[in-house]
Amino acid sequence: QITLKESGPTLVKPTQTLTLTCTFSGFSFSTTGVGVAWIRQPPGKALEWLALIYWNDDKRYSPSLKSRLTITDDTSKNQVVLTMTDMDPVDTATYYCAHRPSYSGSHIAYDIWGQGTMVTVSS
Amino acid sequence: QSVLTQPPSASGTPGHRVTISCSGSSSNIGSNTINWYQQLPGKAPKLLIYNNNQRPSGVPDRFSGSKSATSASLAISGLQSEDEAHYYCAVWDDILNGPVFGGGTRLTVL
Repeated sequence: QITLKESGPTLVKPTQTLTLTCTFSGFSFSTTGVGVAWIRQPPGKALEWLALIYWNDDKRYSPSLKSRLTITDDTSKNQVVLTMTDMDPVDTATYYCAHRPSYSGSHIAYDIWGQGTMVTVSS
Repeated sequence: QSVLTQPPSASGTPGHRVTISCSGSSSNIGSNTINWYQQLPGKAPKLLIYNNNQRPSGVPDRFSGSKSATSASLAISGLQSEDEAHYYCAVWDDILNGPVFGGGTRLTVL
């Protein structure tokens, strides 16, 4: 059974850097085609894709946020980490990590999601 | 304003069929496969359809997807009260060089 869980601060101040950790189990990150993505959702608004890292260390970023994002993996800990610099109140959202299965054939088909973690940006 | 256009709301009565549309362009739906997600209130999204019309294991065959040119549709037959949720389309955009989500459609079961 595949599970993912997000962890990190619930409150960050403007201009600070946010670091979120996705801890996963039930799959091997060395399997061809597998990936882990980050997606966020501001309160009452639509989903917004942020970043994706593949089993072969191929990394993809949202073009509009690329300069602020870094995604890395620590396979020894079964974790994927997302950092976002220069946080702003508009970045207040629920942040999800999700599993990209090897069969999906798409960069944006994610079959298992974490429960999400709410991050508020406020001074 | 998303590059993918979905109606903000849709509704249907139990047992009937409803369709939700997703309109895009040649750089996204027209050249890449589309995916659909269901998000129940207060929950994480769930993958309903991938690669235009494929269902992940466990998704009932009441849910089906189709694509034509630069538009796509999600159909839900035998509507149930538990289908009340937000539905999002998602696809890669070649111009933006990244995935995009539609603005979402809130489905109400009357």
